[in-house]
Amino acid sequence: GAGVSQTPSNKVTEKGKYVELRCDPISGHTALYWYRQSLGQGPEFLIYFQGTGAADDSGLPNDRFFAVRPEGSVSTLKIQRTERGDSAVYLCASSLGQDSPLHFGNGTRLTVT
Amino acid sequence: SQQGEEDPQALSIQEGENATMNCSYKTSINNLQWYRQNSGRGLVHLILIRSNEREKHSGRLRVTLDTSKKSSSLLITASRAADTASYFCVPYGNNRLAFGKGNQVVVIP
Repeated sequence: GAGVSQTPSNKVTEKGKYVELRCDPISGHTALYWYRQSLGQGPEFLIYFQGTGAADDSGLPNDRFFAVRPEGSVSTLKIQRTERGDSAVYLCASSLGQDSPLHFGNGTRLTVT
Repeated sequence: SQQGEEDPQALSIQEGENATMNCSYKTSINNLQWYRQNSGRGLVHLILIRSNEREKHSGRLRVTLDTSKKSSSLLITASRAADTASYFCVPYGNNRLAFGKGNQVVVIP
């Protein structure tokens, strides 16, 4: 079946611009996670959704970052006033919930120039 | 939040040899998961071991869990060049699944 889909696969934007990254989870997966990964590092947790609500958003680095999942399926990660330090691969994963493994998308590579 | 700390952080072995990685964590868990990331391919789930399990096998993979020592190990038997990747252990005890820096394993053909 279809896996986790992330769009776009690559995004280049100028410093100060607004970007939206989209994640389509596996159908029926209630849990959805966002991570970001810099070169040579492990994925850094950003936010976790259970259904429509953010169960844990403590990983969001500052108030420029925001994520939504209005219907409990597709999620959008929004970054305002982008900075060069936001450049990274943003990964989305979904799962059936606790005690279930994460299924990752291929990520969106964000480059802020 | 807790994350696994993998040891060694880098490992280089010959094809056909076994590779063992260890992981330690700090708080109580519901389960512990291992993931692999090849360069250019996404993160892939390898195996999940629950807190009441001590050992689990999947193909050439063997995972152990010792909750009294808060540690886990991943053994890859008869390694192949395609096993070259970063391996992450991820303890799950609350909402988040936090990744550490991972083990970088290089299998030399």
